[in-house]
Order: sequence, then structure tokens, then C-alpha cells
Amino acid sequence: GAGVSQSPSNKVTEKGKDVELRCDPISGHTALYWYRQSLGQGLEFLIYFQGNSAPDKSGLPSDRFSAERTGGSVSTLTIQRTQQEDSAVYLCASSVLAGGAKTQYFGPGTRLLVL
Amino acid sequence: EDKVVQSPLSLVVHEGDTVTLNCSYEVTNFRSLLWYKQEKKAPTFLFMLTSSGIEKKSGRLSSILDKKELSSILNITATQTGDSAIYLCVVELNSGYSTLTFGKGTMLLVSP
Repeated sequence: GAGVSQSPSNKVTEKGKDVELRCDPISGHTALYWYRQSLGQGLEFLIYFQGNSAPDKSGLPSDRFSAERTGGSVSTLTIQRTQQEDSAVYLCASSVLAGGAKTQYFGPGTRLLVL
Repeated sequence: EDKVVQSPLSLVVHEGDTVTLNCSYEVTNFRSLLWYKQEKKAPTFLFMLTSSGIEKKSGRLSSILDKKELSSILNITATQTGDSAIYLCVVELNSGYSTLTFGKGTMLLVSP
């Protein structure tokens, strides 16, 4: 099972609740990326990790969004006090190295619906 | 602001037709252009283009980059219903790590 995995596949939550989305990258991939795809929008970059550090958090839409990565592997994206506009598909991708032209491999995504 | 524009936004063709999808870009610090196919949720990698004028081919799909015109096309010949998907054009920036700027995609529907 060598691909990027994400959980849960689908999440329905009530406005104001916190949610955690998980990403398991491909083993050995040092770079990890989070994206968001809202209905009718293109993919939007959220945050990038190299190892456990996040040199670029510029895409996080608000301070309600945070992410961490531990052990250079699993990453968690947390959305606090969810709003309806947070409803989207959240995609995670990993690549072998951060620099150079390296293909990003995407996970299946988590579809988040905030009621 | 970096941007990637794809056209058409959507397209309906009959099985067996040939289609051409377009992508143009305006970015600083271009490194490569990638095409992904997105069915359901996860985009799957198709091509990476770095050099102008060199066609990349995989079965019925082919793609070419024109750095002078800042554009790329993706061709699909003898389309099949399984080609129905969103095709994403993505530009990778030379930022020290792999920064991707995505187009909004072309939704292709191949009818039997």
C-alpha cells in the first residue's frame, strides 16, 4: 500500500466545532503539502512541510487553521471553530524532496462539510 | 500574482473524438508544467514538461510546452468514456521547494 492516505474520507460537522484531518505520506517522502479544493475553485495551497518544520504557512486562510507534522511522517490539519466556508475537499500530497522538479503524489482527500 | 488559466472550462465530446485542452500561465520563476487527471478526489500525475517543443506521450495522451507563448496543450486522441475527468494544469515554481500553482481545470465528459 504505497500511496498517500488520508482520513477520514468524509467528515460532517456542525459550525463552531473543531476538526482534525490526517495525512499519511508515502514512506520516505520528506515533503508534505496540504491543499484545499472548494466547489468551483481550483486547488488552493495551504501549507508545506519539509521534515517536521513548516517553512511556508502562507496559504493558511485564517488563524483557525493549523497543521503539524511529527516524526517526519504523519501530518494533522486542524480547523478550529469551523465555518460553513471551510466546506471543501482537503487534499494532502507528498514528494521525495523539496527542491528540484519532484512529482507530488496526492492522497484521496477528505471531504469536509460544515453544516 | 502567479496565475494559470485553462480553457475550455468544460467540454463534452463523443467517444472516438480527439480533444485539445489548453493551458496558459503567467508566473515568476517557472520551473515546470504538470498535467494531472482528477477523477473523484485525488489528482493523478500525467506529465511533467520542462523543455519547450518536446512532446511527451503516453498512450493516447500527449502534451507539449511552448515557453515562448507561456502555454501548453494536452491532446487526447480516440477518447473513451474513461477519459471523463477534470484535467488540471499546474505550474511548478522555482522556489526552493515544489510550489505549485493550479489552474481551475477543464472538465471533460466523453459520451458513449
